[in-house]
Amino acid sequence: AQSVTQLDSHVSVSEGTPVLLRCNYSSSYSPSLFWYVQHPNKGLQLLLKYTSAATLVKGINGFEAEFKKSETSFHLTKPSAHMSDAAEYFCVVSDTGGFKTIFGAGTRLFVKA
Amino acid sequence: SQTIHQWPATLVQPVGSPLSLECTVEGTSNPNLYWYRQAAGRGLQLLFYSVGIGQISSEVPQNLSASRPQDRQFILSSKKLLLSDSGFYLCAWIVGGLSYNEQFFGPGTRLTVL
Repeated sequence: AQSVTQLDSHVSVSEGTPVLLRCNYSSSYSPSLFWYVQHPNKGLQLLLKYTSAATLVKGINGFEAEFKKSETSFHLTKPSAHMSDAAEYFCVVSDTGGFKTIFGAGTRLFVKA
Repeated sequence: SQTIHQWPATLVQPVGSPLSLECTVEGTSNPNLYWYRQAAGRGLQLLFYSVGIGQISSEVPQNLSASRPQDRQFILSSKKLLLSDSGFYLCAWIVGGLSYNEQFFGPGTRLTVL
């Protein structure tokens, strides 16, 4: 069975400091992993995805994530936070068939000026 | 280009009333379709997914049901709404059923059950 755990429900950083949003997954198969972002009153947008190619994945808006099989983790990072990064972030695992997708509970990122 | 529509955008319904939410996709064929519910302060809960016409898989046993009468139409229904059905309902699709493809989400329907 698949599952995904986002370890922090809220993360608060100052503008210009690094961002780390943590995600651990469990999957019986080789998973595909995604990070989505949801800005207030807007839809969900894909940030990046891992599909068994490179373990370090670069996404939009300067975000990147590293797939670590030994740690079953897929943490999202950004070197320098911007005010516009304030949003809710979801880690997602999908099975190899792509039929079932499991969303984490979400991490709300606050960025202080 | 592909687009996904959901309606209505908002809905207020009394407890015990029926529900019908519609999702349609344009510009693609044979998509995998999904219904999610996002409750306040919680993540997205997968409710149903469909890999083809008439094929529905339920992830959460409850008083909701889904149907896919056409390739690009996905309907979420209930005969009698509960207070706990309140939330933000999102429809999504993946083309071709490939796990490494991203999901595209509709604008959502905000349902309030009173």
